[in-house]
Amino acid sequence: GAVVSQHPSWVICKSGTSVKIECRSLDFQATTMFWYRQFPKQSLMLMATSNEGSKATYEQGVEKDKFLINHASLTLSTLTVTSAHPEDSSFYICSAREPRDSYEQYFGPGTRLTVT
Amino acid sequence: GENVEQHPSTLSVQEGDSAVIKCTYSDSASNYFPWYKQELGKGPQLIIDIRSNVGEKKDQRIAVTLNKTAKHFSLHITETQPEDSAVYFCAASIGYSTLTFGKGTMLLVSP
Repeated sequence: GAVVSQHPSWVICKSGTSVKIECRSLDFQATTMFWYRQFPKQSLMLMATSNEGSKATYEQGVEKDKFLINHASLTLSTLTVTSAHPEDSSFYICSAREPRDSYEQYFGPGTRLTVT
Repeated sequence: GENVEQHPSTLSVQEGDSAVIKCTYSDSASNYFPWYKQELGKGPQLIIDIRSNVGEKKDQRIAVTLNKTAKHFSLHITETQPEDSAVYFCAASIGYSTLTFGKGTMLLVSP
């Protein structure tokens, strides 16, 4: 149980275009989902927390207009990188937490974004 | 806010040896401490976790110990195997709040 998927697993886009990444909880309902960014050989950096049906809470320094997060259902959250630039190239990972009395976060497999 | 320090950054062991990774945290209110294993190009996988009302938890070859007084917790892997090679992250949180991660430890298990 507790499986989280992401799509796509990797994407290459041109500078100035937008890219959407999907995060799905496959076998449980997730009231809270998290989006992280990870640079090579570094730890995970939390970008934002999204709760189903409400606006995402962004971490300090993360541009909310550039990284659009939508958590429209209990099983789906999306991250859209708008007007992507080469410096946005990174490994984006989502995680989800079950609504029951649980602290555990289950991570997706990640999406490798390369902006050319 | 919470700060989590993790050591060592790299750990090399021979197959069959034990490996220990240590983390310290700064906020005494933290009460949840998970450990994640991340293989190259993949997302982190929860391998074991512990809550502050428990001092030790074991799952086969993996164990986690927690010292609340000293504010540190450790991951112990016994009888290491080459497939244990990965980056391991510790983390801490206060209940349902966000996780604060350590910088990671690259574990290399040589056959």
